[in-house]
Amino acid sequence: DAMVIQNPRYQVTQFGKPVTLSCSQTLNHNVMYWYQQKSSQAPKLLFHYYDKDFNNEADTPDNFQSRRPNTSFCFLDIRSPGLGDAAMYLCATSRDGGDNEKLFFGSGTQLSVL
Amino acid sequence: QKEVEQDPGPLSVPEGAIVSLNCTYSNSAFQYFMWYRQYSRKGPELLMYTYSSGNKEDGRFTAQVDKSSKYISLFIRDSQPSDSATYLCAMSVSFKTIFGAGTRLFVKA
Repeated sequence: DAMVIQNPRYQVTQFGKPVTLSCSQTLNHNVMYWYQQKSSQAPKLLFHYYDKDFNNEADTPDNFQSRRPNTSFCFLDIRSPGLGDAAMYLCATSRDGGDNEKLFFGSGTQLSVL
Repeated sequence: QKEVEQDPGPLSVPEGAIVSLNCTYSNSAFQYFMWYRQYSRKGPELLMYTYSSGNKEDGRFTAQVDKSSKYISLFIRDSQPSDSATYLCAMSVSFKTIFGAGTRLFVKA
């Protein structure tokens, strides 16, 4: 089945130690998104790629970076994780990003910062 | 004021009850309205999608949009224990989907 796959499901890192989360998709969608979701809060969009074009949200901290080496893969890099970065990180895709398009989500990576 | 407001619950109902979930929003530019269902430790999945004002029905689920009041609702008829999840309302504009914080629903057998 075509899907969005996130690895790992759970990630534990130390305060200040760089960490990379990965996402792959078999849907061949043009747009890939990264959302941050803290407990009992709305998913918050960090950035998205339309093909190779990167679009950062204005309030996304510089500590968060992303790479999309090809259509199928997208990575979220947190350069110096703080305690406040502990959250579920959700990767999502859509075909072309139009307002009427559904988002397909992965199962998320739960990040803990010690 | 948040762009999308949603009562976090939790909402606990007996099996077979009719459930009403609601959201309000502030941005009149929103045209597409969605409900996502999120099971524990999983990503959200699209449940219902509505364009502009009106009702849309899909099985036991009905989505309702009132743009004049900036108010959207999701009704679940004959609720089942398998409906226990967090329900997130969402609206999209310009490549950006804005989510509510979600309402946690528990359906007791």
